[in-house]
Amino acid sequence: GENVEQHPSTLSVQEGDSAVIKCTYSDSASNYFPWYKQELGKRPQLIIDIRSNVGEKKDQRIAVTLNKTAKHFSLHITETQPEDSAVYFCAASMEAGSYQLTFGKGTKLSVIP
Amino acid sequence: SQTIHQWPATLVQPVGSPLSLECTVEGTSNPNLYWYRQAAGRGLQLLFYSVGIGQISSEVPQNLSASRPQDRQFILSSKKLLLSDSGFYLCAWSVDRVKTFFGQGTRLTVV
Repeated sequence: GENVEQHPSTLSVQEGDSAVIKCTYSDSASNYFPWYKQELGKRPQLIIDIRSNVGEKKDQRIAVTLNKTAKHFSLHITETQPEDSAVYFCAASMEAGSYQLTFGKGTKLSVIP
Repeated sequence: SQTIHQWPATLVQPVGSPLSLECTVEGTSNPNLYWYRQAAGRGLQLLFYSVGIGQISSEVPQNLSASRPQDRQFILSSKKLLLSDSGFYLCAWSVDRVKTFFGQGTRLTVV
């Protein structure tokens, strides 16, 4: 089955700096890669996703890049703000069968004011 | 628009007691439904998924079971809870069989 590795497990950045979280996946058949943000005690919220026919996608201060050949994808947050502090999860799935997501273990991002 | 309801929000149960968590989805038909568990400070573990009424697939052997009696209803159950069943349980559904959205979650503490 699919295996998703996520790094780093914790990340501290100064407000205004950029943050990058990286994930690798094992199954070359995976073709959908979402990112979730989870604030303390709350549910994960989908913040951005990318399909394998696209190399990069942006939404305001967040962007995701995908390298299918290397089987890795990354989340980039620019001009970080204290409200960006949360745990971020990457995931991978195939657009077939059960469409179930396999999650990375999460990255705890702390933005220092 | 589609919404997902999950209850209760918090639950404290003694070891050996039964469990029933319910999740319903509104505004869509024939969704894929999922139960995830998140242990404190840990990632998301898929427990069960369902692609239709009465169709349940289990991802890990455990003390839990799931049922889907109606198209938009998904239930997580246990006959006898263990201490290790404590965690944050999240129901989820997927739109277009891909984008997945989570319910509010149930924080279960087994004492």
